[in-house]
Amino acid sequence: DTAVSQTPKYLVTQMGNDKSIKCEQNLGHDTMYWYKQDSKKFLKIMFSYNNKELIINETVPNRFSPKSPDKAHLNLHINSLELGDSAVYFCASRLQGRQSPLHFGNGTRLTVT
Amino acid sequence: AQRVTQPEKLLSVFKGAPVELKCNYSYSGSPELFWYVQYSRQRLQLLLRHISRESIKGFTADLNKGETSFHLKKPFAQEEDSAMYYCALQPAGKLIFGQGTTLQVKP
Repeated sequence: DTAVSQTPKYLVTQMGNDKSIKCEQNLGHDTMYWYKQDSKKFLKIMFSYNNKELIINETVPNRFSPKSPDKAHLNLHINSLELGDSAVYFCASRLQGRQSPLHFGNGTRLTVT
Repeated sequence: AQRVTQPEKLLSVFKGAPVELKCNYSYSGSPELFWYVQYSRQRLQLLLRHISRESIKGFTADLNKGETSFHLKKPFAQEEDSAMYYCALQPAGKLIFGQGTTLQVKP
């Protein structure tokens, strides 16, 4: 099944912990993204990697560190979690080029208590 | 500044009524515009893109460069159209989303 898959689907953790979210795509895409969807359903780009190189890094606290071991994977590590980090995090991928759409994962709902 | 504005947070219509979800953008270059949809408990997925000029699930969207708009339209709404709709602008490979509009189609 060709798709963008991310794990875990749900993540509940306490403030101050460190956690990771993994993402993998088997669509042969060369560009991957992390988006954050807040409680008001607003989607904001966080990072983008093209062929393992960071190309977009929005204003995100440096507690968030993306890692791309290869172009099919983009993981997100979050240090010292805060209450405000609670959100749904979406991984996405695409082929670089005009009008190439994003393909999204199912999302990871992170709850920080 | 590059920006996408969807002025309506919620649009509620009855089944069979026409639907128009508004989207305005701000971008100085040649825009790449998309509509994405998120059905309940499903992933965000592409609905349509302006370059294709196609109709998907009865929805169409026309790019109006003069009004900088890319409104999504459907002549007769169905209950299964109930979902969250996002308009998006893609400058330089970075997809910028509007705030989203929840479409609620009542029976």
